[in-house]
Amino acid sequence: KNEVEQSPQNLTAQEGEFITINCSYSVGISALHWLQQHPGGGIVSLFMLSSGKKKHGRLIATINIQEKHSSLHITASHPRDSAVYICAVGEAAGNKLTFGGGTRVLVKP
Amino acid sequence: DVKVTQSSRYLVKRTGEKVFLECVQDMDHENMFWYRQDPGLGLRLIYFSYDVKMKEKGDIPEGYSVSREKKERFSLILESASTNQTSMYLCASSPAGNRNQPQHFGDGTRLSIL
Repeated sequence: KNEVEQSPQNLTAQEGEFITINCSYSVGISALHWLQQHPGGGIVSLFMLSSGKKKHGRLIATINIQEKHSSLHITASHPRDSAVYICAVGEAAGNKLTFGGGTRVLVKP
Repeated sequence: DVKVTQSSRYLVKRTGEKVFLECVQDMDHENMFWYRQDPGLGLRLIYFSYDVKMKEKGDIPEGYSVSREKKERFSLILESASTNQTSMYLCASSPAGNRNQPQHFGDGTRLSIL
């Protein structure tokens, strides 16, 4: 079973700062997902990647398959980015995901 | 737009009751999942279904059962609710075939067992 570790668990930033969240996993995967959960519970998928880098607006996700590590970056952070960010890995065979514990991000104005 | 709908946002039940949590998706997805989310433990898979009437146990199936009679609907059943089943429950769905597809989540049901 894959072990997924995220760091940090909590992060507080000032508006405009650059934020990095890290995710490492222990076993080969088919894809890595970054998810966002706002207060109230709903989860949305931000990225799914199996190599390289993806960018969407102010969000950038990278993955290094050899090192079994991924990062999520938020550039020019804004209070509306305050949420829990969750890393999840898809197993090499099958449709199940294994989730990290989440990183709670608070961006202060 | 894709939609996964959970029947209740908040639910309060008593110990020993039989509890049904319902989830409906409108995307014709084959795969459906039930998770629970607890502080410090992240999301953990309870059960998933890859087709009508098909189900597989996840990591923490004890005390739960599921039903998938129609493709769009996946029900989670707490046979005899206990206080340690107080949690946030999230349903998700994804298409079959290509593994590299994101899961679409409902808004969650916060269940309290008194």
